[in-house]
Amino acid sequence: GAGVSQSPSNKVTEKGKDVELRCDPISGHTALYWYRQSLGQGLEFLIYFQGNSAPDKSGLPSDRFSAERTGGSVSTLTIQRTQQEDSAVYLCASRSSGTGDGNTIYFGEGSWLTVV
Amino acid sequence: AQSVAQPEDQVNVAEGNPLTVKCTYSVSGNPYLFWYVQYPNRGLQFLLKYITGDNLVKGSYGFEAEFNKSQTSFHLKKPSALVSDSALYFCAVRDVGGYQKVTFGIGTKLQVIP
Repeated sequence: GAGVSQSPSNKVTEKGKDVELRCDPISGHTALYWYRQSLGQGLEFLIYFQGNSAPDKSGLPSDRFSAERTGGSVSTLTIQRTQQEDSAVYLCASRSSGTGDGNTIYFGEGSWLTVV
Repeated sequence: AQSVAQPEDQVNVAEGNPLTVKCTYSVSGNPYLFWYVQYPNRGLQFLLKYITGDNLVKGSYGFEAEFNKSQTSFHLKKPSALVSDSALYFCAVRDVGGYQKVTFGIGTKLQVIP
């Protein structure tokens, strides 16, 4: 597709269950970011992938959170043993490596996670 | 460490009046600066960016922003506000020097009153 695609768009899960959120970046974009937006909060950086380099995981809030990016394209964010405080919108964004537009990151519509 | 401050949680402006949404930043080197807009229940949409060159940057929907290096600011402006501009606005910064993380402000809610 033309934009960043995220699925599911909405997910309600029970506390303690694991969830997987998927991000399909814009074709050809080498950089991929995950952010979290909680109600009334700004965007919290989670993790950054750039090509084949080791990801920057410095924003992951706990070891229950992990992410991978297969083949330099699709990424999956996994939250294990979900807690109510994990309820938030998880936003994925991608960026090309070229000059000019390579400085702009483009966001998907987000995955709205509710833990009950 | 890089950071962004948006000092106003909410800005109210009458339709047709000029609007300003404030943003200041901190980076160790030179900045790339961005503004994004978020409508309810949507993702973030890119508005404009400053990379280099002219300090006044023009973007989508009639918005513009002025980069002021001495004041480390990048305020978003529009000469005449529309009710449809009501949304949440985010300022963001990335250090040109190398670290690739893009840091966002907490957002400013713009309310345009008819």
